[in-house]
Amino acid sequence: AQTVTQSQPEMSVQEAETVTLSCTYDTSENNYYLFWYKQPPSRQMILVIRQEAYKQQNATENRFSVNFQKAAKSFSLKISDSQLGDTAMYFCAFGKGSSNTGKLIFGQGTTLQVKP
Amino acid sequence: EAQVTQNPRYLITVTGKKLTVTCSQNMNHEYMSWYRQDPGLGLRQIYYSMNVEVTDKGDVPEGYKVSRKEKRNFPLILESPSPNQTSLYFCASTSRGEGGYTFGSGTRLTVV
Repeated sequence: AQTVTQSQPEMSVQEAETVTLSCTYDTSENNYYLFWYKQPPSRQMILVIRQEAYKQQNATENRFSVNFQKAAKSFSLKISDSQLGDTAMYFCAFGKGSSNTGKLIFGQGTTLQVKP
Repeated sequence: EAQVTQNPRYLITVTGKKLTVTCSQNMNHEYMSWYRQDPGLGLRQIYYSMNVEVTDKGDVPEGYKVSRKEKRNFPLILESPSPNQTSLYFCASTSRGEGGYTFGSGTRLTVV
């Protein structure tokens, strides 16, 4: 069975600085997707970034980028130039299969606070 | 606006009183799921539907029922709620080629 582990329950960062959130996963699958979701205090789940396992290039979305290490089964999220609006809980998620339509396995979440 | 709509947003009920949480999406998505979110556990899948009349159990299906009679709707039914079903519930939908699941705004359920 697949598992996803986020070992940092809470983190904080100063505004404008860079922070990295860790995520490791365990699977025997070769085809899968990885996601980072953001949950602000409004509790809405917002997709931040996704990575297909077959792609070697790390995904990037504006200030958000990932470091995908397939052999190490690691999928960290880097937030550059942190902003107050980045304060939220962040969830790493694993999706099995060659499409993005399967079940998602979520990590426990990391609460990030951006300080002014 | 493309969205997943859940109702109600908040619900307090008593043990044993049947309830339904509705979920509707306007994006013509085939795939829909229900998750529950509990502190320290992240989100866990309750049920999953691949299309109309096709559903499958997730990781924590006990005490829940679902139906998918129409493509846009995927209600979650608690026939006899118990306090251990107090949680934050999310409905989500997606389709092949989408970037990922779109989530509803969540339903905070308290069973006393």
